[in-house]
Amino acid sequence: AQKVTQAQTEISVVEKEDVTLDCVYETRDTTYYLFWYKQPPSGELVFLIRRNSFDEQNEISGRYSWNFQKSTSSFNFTITASQVVDSAVYFCALSEAPYNTDKLIFGTGTRLQVFP
Amino acid sequence: DTGVSQDPRHKITKRGQNVTFRCDPISEHNRLYWYRQTLGQGPEFLTYFQNEAQLEKSRLLSDRFSAERPKGSFSTLEIQRTEQGDSAMYLCASSSSDRSSGNTIYFGEGSWLTVV
Repeated sequence: AQKVTQAQTEISVVEKEDVTLDCVYETRDTTYYLFWYKQPPSGELVFLIRRNSFDEQNEISGRYSWNFQKSTSSFNFTITASQVVDSAVYFCALSEAPYNTDKLIFGTGTRLQVFP
Repeated sequence: DTGVSQDPRHKITKRGQNVTFRCDPISEHNRLYWYRQTLGQGPEFLTYFQNEAQLEKSRLLSDRFSAERPKGSFSTLEIQRTEQGDSAMYLCASSSSDRSSGNTIYFGEGSWLTVV
């Protein structure tokens, strides 16, 4: 069965620190997508990144970077030089059978608090 | 395009009453999803439409829940005889089955339901 585990429930850092959010997934599919979403207090899930299972290249977008390692079934997310505006709950998600449906399986989320 | 919109954003209802939520997906998206999120948890899949057809329903969707997407555009989620355990945020999402546009799933801001 598909499963996403975010072992870190809550992380607190001081502004400008780097922080890594961990995500470990389980799937028997050979084709799948992994996602990260940000959920600020307003509640909306904001899309951050999508990565397919055939692309293991790491990706950097500004202060955000993602490390995808199929060998360890991990898709970790690093924020460099964190800012107060990064405070939110971050969810990792897995899309099963992406060619038939885009149904997502979410982890339980990691709450990130960035203090000034 | 204004993204996925949901209405109402907040609803407080007495136990036993019926409530209905509406979702307007991104206009060119033919897939629509409903998720439920309780405090401290990640969103959980409820149901999925492709155009007007409801293709999948979760075991979480009891007989008191019904979802429709009559013209393949907007969708409604109705909860009959609400119970306190129904208190949650109900999230709507949409995506396109056209793979040339990617399969990114975009979420609305959610509808918070409190049953008292």
